[in-house]
Amino acid sequence: QKEVEQNSGPLSVPEGAIASLNCTYSDRVSQSFFWYRQYSGKSPELIMSIYSNGDKEDGRFTAQLNKASQYVSLLIRDSQPSDSATYLCAVMEAYKYIFGTGTRLKVLA
Amino acid sequence: DAGVIQSPRHEVTEMGQEVTLRCKPISGHNSLFWYRQTMMRGLELLIYFNNNVPIDDSGMPEDRFSAKMPNASFSTLKIQPSEPRDSAVYFCASSLSTGAREQYFGPGTRLTVT
Repeated sequence: QKEVEQNSGPLSVPEGAIASLNCTYSDRVSQSFFWYRQYSGKSPELIMSIYSNGDKEDGRFTAQLNKASQYVSLLIRDSQPSDSATYLCAVMEAYKYIFGTGTRLKVLA
Repeated sequence: DAGVIQSPRHEVTEMGQEVTLRCKPISGHNSLFWYRQTMMRGLELLIYFNNNVPIDDSGMPEDRFSAKMPNASFSTLKIQPSEPRDSAVYFCASSLSTGAREQYFGPGTRLTVT
């Protein structure tokens, strides 16, 4: 059983819509959660971190964490073609990040 | 501020040759991570250093792989001898070992072993 699971996609949304990316994890004691964006041929770029249940907003991005249900999500409002990338969910266990395999997002102009 | 620096950005080598990848972490960060990314296996942690000491090398695939961190501003990952299945993108990341522990990635080294 994978420790961090993401739908590989692609998730296609029209420009201006809300993109919703989901991630589930298996380790109940995890306390820190991260979303990375990775453009093709580039390195992962940290876009959001969340540590407490609830929502955390940063510009067009909102991270949502539900520890009881063991899922974390990322909402991207007003999606732009430049948001087209692979989004990696990472869960910290002790000092390690456990990465999901990523969800590929395509924003259609 | 300079981010994580890696060199070379691209490396093409023949099977059996030695390959050395280099990393300079963000100044002040005391944790360093080496990852490998492939389409098949995604992003895998190879080794983790804290304060220049290797803490967890359980992800190093075999004895052909070795890593060192002689000081706080430099680390190497060496593959000897290299094999075609080592072809991948190798990333170095750094973080603080306390607080948020957010990891920041370098640009990566794309390794091709022919």
